[in-house]
Amino acid sequence: DSGVTQTPKHLITATGQRVTLRCSPRSGDLSVYWYQQSLDQGLQFLIHYYNGEERAKGNILERFSAQQFPDLHSELNLSSLELGDSALYFCASSVGQGVTKLFFGSGTQLSVL
Amino acid sequence: DAKTTQPNSMESNEEEPVHLPCNHSTISGTDYIHWYRQLPSQGPEYVIHGLTSNVNNRMASLAIAEDRKSSTLILHRATLRDAAVYYCILFWGNKLVFGAGTILRVKS
Repeated sequence: DSGVTQTPKHLITATGQRVTLRCSPRSGDLSVYWYQQSLDQGLQFLIHYYNGEERAKGNILERFSAQQFPDLHSELNLSSLELGDSALYFCASSVGQGVTKLFFGSGTQLSVL
Repeated sequence: DAKTTQPNSMESNEEEPVHLPCNHSTISGTDYIHWYRQLPSQGPEYVIHGLTSNVNNRMASLAIAEDRKSSTLILHRATLRDAAVYYCILFWGNKLVFGAGTILRVKS
């Protein structure tokens, strides 16, 4: 158990809908990272937050947004969902924002039908 | 993004050492070399990281070439539980960007 909690574990929805994925980092960790893993794209870095502020952006679509709240939990919002958004979404946390060890959650499996 | 190159797959026998290579010829002086692994149906798991010197921990050893353009992850005695995808990553700019990784198969 990495100490990073992601909910829900599974999510099934329809095209055009909006969903919110939640991540609770390990106690004391200030950084949260989001990743998308699909069969054809591998693990794609989406975004990194540190202590409530966005620190780095990767291949995140405009339909996706994220935020980190004062209690340090983070949410990834996916809107206008398409079939291609079906993937495993991972959250990771770390103590700092620089070179450091990341702890990954077990992921949220999103299926868009 | 800084790139790494790894073999698509490797095979090892149980109880034998495994050397997983990684090339990163465009590495910059401040890039740390990280290794993660992902077991089936799980999130990635940290293995080891280093900058210039070789590193050891309870899971593995990391050997870094003197010019830092390549590195090798060493699993001293592979077990069936080590079968996973191993990712060699350069950590820079607040990003940990994964490549395709090496699928390690361990035979009993």
